[in-house]
Amino acid sequence: DAMVIQNPRYQVTQFGKPVTLSCSQTLNHNVMYWYQQKSSQAPKLLFHYYDKDFNNEADTPDNFQSRRPNTSFCFLDIRSPGLGDAAMYLCATSRGLATDTQYFGPGTRLTVL
Amino acid sequence: TQLLEQSPQFLSIQEGENLTVYCNSSSVFSSLQWYRQEPGEGPVLLVTVVTGGEVKKLKRLTFQFGDARKDSSLHITAAQPGDTGLYLCAGIAFYNQGGKLIFGQGTELSVKP
Repeated sequence: DAMVIQNPRYQVTQFGKPVTLSCSQTLNHNVMYWYQQKSSQAPKLLFHYYDKDFNNEADTPDNFQSRRPNTSFCFLDIRSPGLGDAAMYLCATSRGLATDTQYFGPGTRLTVL
Repeated sequence: TQLLEQSPQFLSIQEGENLTVYCNSSSVFSSLQWYRQEPGEGPVLLVTVVTGGEVKKLKRLTFQFGDARKDSSLHITAAQPGDTGLYLCAGIAFYNQGGKLIFGQGTELSVKP
């Protein structure tokens, strides 16, 4: 059974039109992460939640926001997508921080027209 | 900031050949992980190495963690087309950086029949 679920798997939006990506987990993990991955590159951490505590990476653009209404769900909001935001967006979870293994979802491929 | 240099970035080989991917840093990591990612999917954890000098085997894959815990290698014996994918090394910072995984740039492996 899938443990980290991302919806939709493919999302097409228009330049400047807000878009929300969804992640849910059945692992009851404390930490949820959002990564951006461009073609053949390593994932780049955008931010993470430890429970309700939000931690933003210093170089994450203000255009990217996140919400975690409960333990199971986390959302990535892109307020005004630009062409450069086209990428794979990966959600991951872990029980705790530091040495705990991160479990990745299948990703959402975002296309910006 | 801790960095992981992964090489080679691209590798195209014939079925049956052997290959080695390297992951190097000037910093010490408490542990290091290897992931494999297929196109359109999220990274899947292959192995975690924790002890300096540790060697782990997963069928035809051999993972080694350097004695000083600054580098790691992945060796594949008799590569098969099913091994094709993006291989990522990721280190857990020795001194906690908020629980971040430090990713290498990835190695895009293509195994031709």
